[in-house]
Amino acid sequence: QKEVEQNSGPLSVPEGAIASLNCTYSDRVSQSFFWYRQYSGKSPELIMSIYSNGDKEDGRFTAQLNKASQYVSLLIRDSQPSDSATYLCAVRDGRGGSYIPTFGRGTSLIVHP
Amino acid sequence: EAQVTQNPRYLITVTGKKLTVTCSQNMNHEYMSWYRQDPGLGLRQIYYSMNVEVTDKGDVPEGYKVSRKEKRNFPLILESPSPNQTSLYFCASGLDTQYFGPGTRLTVL
Repeated sequence: QKEVEQNSGPLSVPEGAIASLNCTYSDRVSQSFFWYRQYSGKSPELIMSIYSNGDKEDGRFTAQLNKASQYVSLLIRDSQPSDSATYLCAVRDGRGGSYIPTFGRGTSLIVHP
Repeated sequence: EAQVTQNPRYLITVTGKKLTVTCSQNMNHEYMSWYRQDPGLGLRQIYYSMNVEVTDKGDVPEGYKVSRKEKRNFPLILESPSPNQTSLYFCASGLDTQYFGPGTRLTVL
């Protein structure tokens, strides 16, 4: 059974700070990693995808992947109150035609002014 | 505008009464999928479809059916709903970049 673990939070950070969200996964052969943002009462929205070790930056967001440690993180720089949401980590292995992603339960982020 | 639509958005029904939740996308995606989201359990995939007439089970397919007769539509069918299928359901389109529909909140009494 593949598992994706996230701290449920809430993670509370002041406006302008860096928010660091973490995710660990159990399946060592996982190939694709995704971060989604979900506002309360809304549907998930893809923020970042990452496929190889290292960092990937997009605006204020940086995804970091370490396959050896089975760890993926999302950094949000200059956090804004509008970043307050639940962040979902998803992992997919793609072996043998498997396209079923496994989602973590999400980390709630609160950015306070 | 890229869009995934679902209907109905809210549904209250009774045990055993067959229902269908429709899903449609306008992005010409081959891959579509259905999820349910439950408190404490997160998002779990019910079924997915790689293309027309090609569907496969996700992690929690029991009690659900799907069909993919056209590329744009991927309905979710509950032939005999039970209270444990009370949940928030999302349709999604696309593989690496998944676009989620607005959700259908289903209550089965």
